[in-house]
Amino acid sequence: GAVVSQHPSRVICKSGTSVKIECRSLDFQATTMFWYRQFPKKSLMLMATSNEGSKATYEQGVEKDKFLINHASLTLSTLTVTSAHPEDSSFYICSAREWNYGYTFGSGTRLTVV
Amino acid sequence: KQEVTQIPAALSVPEGENLVLNCSFTDSAIYNLQWFRQDPGKGLTSLLLIQSSQREQTSGRLNASLDKSSGRSTLYIAASQPGDSATYLCAVAGSGGYQKVTFGIGTKLQVIP
Repeated sequence: GAVVSQHPSRVICKSGTSVKIECRSLDFQATTMFWYRQFPKKSLMLMATSNEGSKATYEQGVEKDKFLINHASLTLSTLTVTSAHPEDSSFYICSAREWNYGYTFGSGTRLTVV
Repeated sequence: KQEVTQIPAALSVPEGENLVLNCSFTDSAIYNLQWFRQDPGKGLTSLLLIQSSQREQTSGRLNASLDKSSGRSTLYIAASQPGDSATYLCAVAGSGGYQKVTFGIGTKLQVIP
């Protein structure tokens, strides 16, 4: 089946630093990947759509300068949270769509900014 | 704008019971519907994927149905086990563009031994 690997699973960083999260499709090529954020007791919210070789498409209200997305290859998309602050602490999940399996999700990254 | 609602928000059942989780969506122009499981602090595990042209899908003790015209899907879990305890999410992919996915808030299931 389609597998998406996300790394790291947990990260703690100091306020003001930047954190990079990687999302890889292991056994299929993903021209499009998606980044979500999950707030406590809320549904997953789409942040942006990552397109291989072009700029990401951000959802309304998501700061593109805060959440930098790079999709440099057909198997890798990265999300960098720049100048992180405590309010950026959250659970971030990536996904990619594979024709036969629908949307496959990574295992998620728990970001804590202290 | 697609809206996805899941009822109930939480459910507690004794082991061995059959149960039904409900998902409703407002825009019937969907590409597919997918049920996921999420364990606390973990990512999402895909359970069943139903394409818009399909009516149901089955995997082991799980059966998911789709009624696109009424905007409803159900996830049926037979003979529930404590290991089934998790949050179950319904996700609807729209039929346009990148098939944007909208999630429900989930149903938190607890199966009591």
